[in-house]
Amino acid sequence: NAGVMQNPRHLVRRRGQEARLRCSPMKGHSHVYWYRQLPEEGLKFMVYLQKENIIDESGMPKERFSAEFPKEGPSILRIQQVVRGDSAAYFCASSRSQGLAKNIQYFGAGTRLSVL
Amino acid sequence: SQQGEEDPQALSIQEGENATMNCSYKTSINNLQWYRQNSGRGLVHLILIRSNEREKHSGRLRVTLDTSKKSSSLLITASRAADTASYFCATDAISGANSKLTFGKGITLSVRP
Repeated sequence: NAGVMQNPRHLVRRRGQEARLRCSPMKGHSHVYWYRQLPEEGLKFMVYLQKENIIDESGMPKERFSAEFPKEGPSILRIQQVVRGDSAAYFCASSRSQGLAKNIQYFGAGTRLSVL
Repeated sequence: SQQGEEDPQALSIQEGENATMNCSYKTSINNLQWYRQNSGRGLVHLILIRSNEREKHSGRLRVTLDTSKKSSSLLITASRAADTASYFCATDAISGANSKLTFGKGITLSVRP
């Protein structure tokens, strides 16, 4: 049973380019969360999605950032016109849909974005 | 400010010793969880304790929760070099059913062989 798969593991972009980060949740998981981690910091919540729906995007910057979780395929976190401050590790997590199991989130290995 | 704040920020111990890490939070919670992160890796879930529980064990891990003080502790007994990692507490606040976790900044644990 594969865990949460994120790709790419490392992504280098120049300022102004677009970054696309992909996340495939664990099998049987219908909830996806994206977090951002700056060096020496904890994870900061960005967005929570279920299939085809954004449930909570209170942690997402209002501009340049978007996320989707289509009916088929992985969840995508998209950052347009990247700036140096977007450099960070971006983690995806997934959870089951019911009861207490929903509270346990399983994390991918992360995508480390470097903006030159 | 962070919902969960751990202390100490860094802890260095000898293999075989016990490691105690603390976490404080601000708002009412559904549950509190501890995660571990090895350098350059994702987070691994260690243990979840519900708001109506006071203590929980899992192998060499012991977690306590004091909701009156809004604090939790994670004890790792008989530490091993492989326990070297960053440890984060995460709270799942009572604000709906969204299970949005709020993480502290983490504690860096170093276990010397």
